[in-house]
Amino acid sequence: DSGVTQTPKHLITATGQRVTLRCSPRSGDLSVYWYQQSLDQGLQFLIQYYNGEERAKGNILERFSAQQFPDLHSELNLSSLELGDSALYFCASSATGGGTEAFFGQGTRLTVV
Amino acid sequence: EDKVVQSPLSLVVHEGDTVTLNCSYEVTNFRSLLWYKQEKKAPTFLFMLTSSGIEKKSGRLSSILDKKELFSILNITATQTGDSAVYLCAVEGSGAGSYQLTFGKGTKLSVIP
Repeated sequence: DSGVTQTPKHLITATGQRVTLRCSPRSGDLSVYWYQQSLDQGLQFLIQYYNGEERAKGNILERFSAQQFPDLHSELNLSSLELGDSALYFCASSATGGGTEAFFGQGTRLTVV
Repeated sequence: EDKVVQSPLSLVVHEGDTVTLNCSYEVTNFRSLLWYKQEKKAPTFLFMLTSSGIEKKSGRLSSILDKKELFSILNITATQTGDSAVYLCAVEGSGAGSYQLTFGKGTKLSVIP
């Protein structure tokens, strides 16, 4: 158990809908990262927050947004969902803004039908 | 843009064999290279390397980084069926403008009894 908690574990929703994925980092970690993993693309970095502020942005679509709250948990919002958004979404946390290992949650499996 | 290439993409070995997994990279402002093991869901952290030529070791696994030639190897000796997994290499660099982890597509290792 990495100490990173993601909810829900599974989510099935229809195209056009909006969902929110939640992540609680390990105790004491200030950084939260979001990744998308699909079969053909591997792990793709989406966005990083550090102590409540956006630190780095990767290949995140405009339909997706995230935030980190004062208690350091983070939410990833996915809207106007398309079939191609079906993937495993991981959250990871690390102690600092970078240069240290990141620990991954168990992921949320999103299926868009 | 930062790039990580892993080889081979998949590998089948017998228990007891020794394997070497490769990771080459192109990255702007290299900060670290990390190895993860992904079995069913969450990648689990194995090693982080920042300095060239220094071997990191944990039991039957070891890894070394060559910053001049821009590659790393992960060795697993006396393989066991429990080593079957996808091994991911990630590099932390600032090729996209801010520091982030770029993952390779992984090497799928299957260890047969």
